[in-house]
Amino acid sequence: AQSVTQPDIHITVSEGASLELRCNYSYGATPYLFWYVQSPGQGLQLLLKYFSGDTLVQGIKGFEAEFKRSQSSFNLRKPSVHWSDAAEYFCAVGDRGGTGGFKTIFGAGTRLFVKA
Amino acid sequence: ETGVTQSPTHLIKTRGQQVTLRCSSQSGHNTVSWYQQALGQGPQFIFQYYREEENGRGNFPPRFSGLQFPNYSSELNVNALELDDSALYLCASSLGERLNTEAFFGQGTRLTVV
Repeated sequence: AQSVTQPDIHITVSEGASLELRCNYSYGATPYLFWYVQSPGQGLQLLLKYFSGDTLVQGIKGFEAEFKRSQSSFNLRKPSVHWSDAAEYFCAVGDRGGTGGFKTIFGAGTRLFVKA
Repeated sequence: ETGVTQSPTHLIKTRGQQVTLRCSSQSGHNTVSWYQQALGQGPQFIFQYYREEENGRGNFPPRFSGLQFPNYSSELNVNALELDDSALYLCASSLGERLNTEAFFGQGTRLTVV
């Protein structure tokens, strides 16, 4: 079955430091991969997505992610974290189920804390 | 702001009751998906509607049902509420039901079942 694993429940980084959030997926075919961010009490905002092509994907707010097929990973990175980046981050994979329907499978999320 | 609006924002219901949650999709979007997000968890796919027909369903019992209207707005209905139904319910709209279509999420409805 398709799945997404985010190994880190929470991460704390200092403001200005670099960030890497890990994501591993299990998917039989070429995956459609996403990273979303969720601020407290808010909905989800798409940071970036990978469908094909260049394996290094640029997103909004200075985020990027790299697709590595050999490692089944899609890690999210940012060179310099700002206090406003503190939020919950979700990795997700798009899946077309047996009925032909479409769904997105989310990981459990990684909570990012930023310290001054 | 995405243009996807959900109502109500918060709701408290008693076990056994029924609830209807509403979602207005972004202008021009013909596909709506619903997700349940329990506290501390990632969103779980409930179902998707494309042009007024169900287009995929996750592992949720039949007491979770939905509708999509001609204007592409949508409802999520849950019958016989259980305590475990307490969660944030998210609606997402998109143009088309293909995997490479970006979905825009609403702010969610926080449902508490007591």
